[in-house]
Amino acid sequence: EAAVTQSPRNKVAVTGGKVTLSCNQTNNHNNMYWYRQDTGHGLRLIHYSYGAGSTEKGDIPDGYKASRPSQENFSLILELATPSQTSVYFCASGDAPGQGDNQAPLFGEGTRLSVL
Amino acid sequence: GDSVTQTEGLVTLTKGLPVMLNCTYQTTYSPFLFWYVQHLNEAPKLLLKSSTDNKRTEHQGFYATLHKSSSSFHLQKSSVQLSDSALYFCALSETNTGKLTFGDGTVLTVKP
Repeated sequence: EAAVTQSPRNKVAVTGGKVTLSCNQTNNHNNMYWYRQDTGHGLRLIHYSYGAGSTEKGDIPDGYKASRPSQENFSLILELATPSQTSVYFCASGDAPGQGDNQAPLFGEGTRLSVL
Repeated sequence: GDSVTQTEGLVTLTKGLPVMLNCTYQTTYSPFLFWYVQHLNEAPKLLLKSSTDNKRTEHQGFYATLHKSSSSFHLQKSSVQLSDSALYFCALSETNTGKLTFGDGTVLTVKP
């Protein structure tokens, strides 16, 4: 069964600390995405990737880095966490329309991050 | 860049009534539209998808038709149930990258 797994599910971090959010997919999807969800803003794209070794900036990349070391794994890195990065983060994987059978990204269960 | 507009932030209805949630979009590419549903503390899940002009697509009692002439993909259901209470997102995919742009979402609350 197609799955996207995020870890940790909950995280409390201190301001200025480094945070790494991990995402694993077993769907053999080329594309992976990181979104954050805040009340009143819906889902906003932070970074995405077309495949191992590639990362692209999304709509709100400032303060975030991404890493795609393999087809299956995609990490989101907050080098210096700030309270404004308190949010729920969702990872997703999928294929671009016309490039595969899964033409709608599949989402993980989310990571709730609090930066104090 | 691409954009998606959902005009209703909150819709409250009584069980059994029909509903329409509005979605319009802007893109320079050939559009691929989606509706996702998100229940409280869960991940967004795909509800409907379409890239075919003027063709109705249906799932779980919900339906939508992509109209390229008006750049719209409104979500409808003829009779809402209590279990339909959730957050609904319209999303637009770039056909070359698969990048999804979401609207701000509509909270649907169904009352007994």
